[in-house]
This record gives sequence, C-alpha cells and structure tokens, in this order.
Amino acid sequence: TAGITQAPTSQILAAGRSMTLRCTQDMRHNAMYWYRQDLGLGLRLIHYSNTAGTTGKGEVPDGYSVSRANTDDFPLTLASAVPSQTSVYFCASSDRGRSEQFFGPGTRLTVL
Amino acid sequence: GENVEQHPSTLSVQEGDSAVIKCTYSDSASNYFPWYKQELGKGPQLIIDIRSNVGEKKDQRIAVTLNKTAKHFSLHITETQPEDSAVYFCAATSSNSGYALNFGKGTSLLVTP
Repeated sequence: TAGITQAPTSQILAAGRSMTLRCTQDMRHNAMYWYRQDLGLGLRLIHYSNTAGTTGKGEVPDGYSVSRANTDDFPLTLASAVPSQTSVYFCASSDRGRSEQFFGPGTRLTVL
Repeated sequence: GENVEQHPSTLSVQEGDSAVIKCTYSDSASNYFPWYKQELGKGPQLIIDIRSNVGEKKDQRIAVTLNKTAKHFSLHITETQPEDSAVYFCAATSSNSGYALNFGKGTSLLVTP
C-alpha cells in the first residue's frame, strides 16, 4: 500500500503567492496532522483533524488553513506565503488517538 | 501546553557501544510516549513507544524506560551499528492535545565504525 503520499516533493514559491500542499492516505485512518520541521526546532504541529469534517489548531497555526472534506485527504493551504514559512512540511495520520502516527515523505517549501 | 525537552542534541558513539537519549515532559496528563527515527530526506518512522501503565519496553536492541513520577523517559540503543545513525525524536501526547504529538527537538546520533 502507498500509506501516505504528499505532493509536491519540493516547491519554490514567491512571497505573497498562495499554495496548497496535498496529503492523501489510503489506510482509512480517522486522524490526520500537519507538522513543520525546522532545523533546531524539531517538528511542530500546525493543524490536526481527529475525523472527517473537523479540524483543530496546533502550536503554530497562523498563516495556514486546512480542510477535511473526506477521510483520505487533508490539504494544507498557505493563503499568502511569507519567507518564515520556508520549511519541510510533513503530513501524518493515525488510526486511533493514541496509536502510531505514520508520516509522509515531506514537502520541502522555499518562500522567496 | 506540553513541553518536551530532549538531550543531548548530538551524540557520537563507536560501533558496538550503547547510546542513551533522554526526554522530560511537563504535562502530567501525557500518557503515550513514542520515539521516532528520521533518516536524511525521509519522514520520521516510529521505532518504539511506551504507554503510561508500563515502566519499560524492549524490542531487540532498543528499549524505552518511563518514570512518570519524575516525568522523564529514555531511549536506550545497545550494540549500536552504523545504520543506527539518524536523528531521533521523542514525543508525548494526551487527550488534552487531541492526541497530537509534542516533539522534542531531536538528537542527531552518529555511530562511527
């Protein structure tokens, strides 16, 4: 099985432009998460969704929005990108709230 | 919210030696503590986890210990091999955070032959 896929693999984006990072899982997990990873800061939660139709804010939600229209997809949108959003973004999913989170391969985003 | 501290930030050991990485957490409600390994250019992968009703868990060369009273947990890797070289992250979670993981800042482990 594919597990979790993310697209694109990498992207260079001009400041002020919008972009949607895509995340799809085929494991029918009910919970999904978006993290950003920055050197020296580890992984920080942006947004999460415990089930389709619901979303919640994580530690660093400003400048990002998410939607969860169905179980499989959890896109992350940057409405107006800024250079501080340069990072590696990881999507993850889990079957139950306390169980293992499976991570995607990541999207490397550079905002110039 | 939960604050997870991880030490050391870098660790270099010789092949065959043991490696220990330590984490502390602040939220007494945290009840699930996973450890992730991240290789260069890849997403984190779970290597072992422990729940609050258990003090120690082993899986071949890796083990995790949990001290809930002191709010700290540790990862132990024995007989290290070069392929153990990676960045390791500890994390903690509870229902208070919607079960989203709160990560430590990571430990870069280098195992030299």
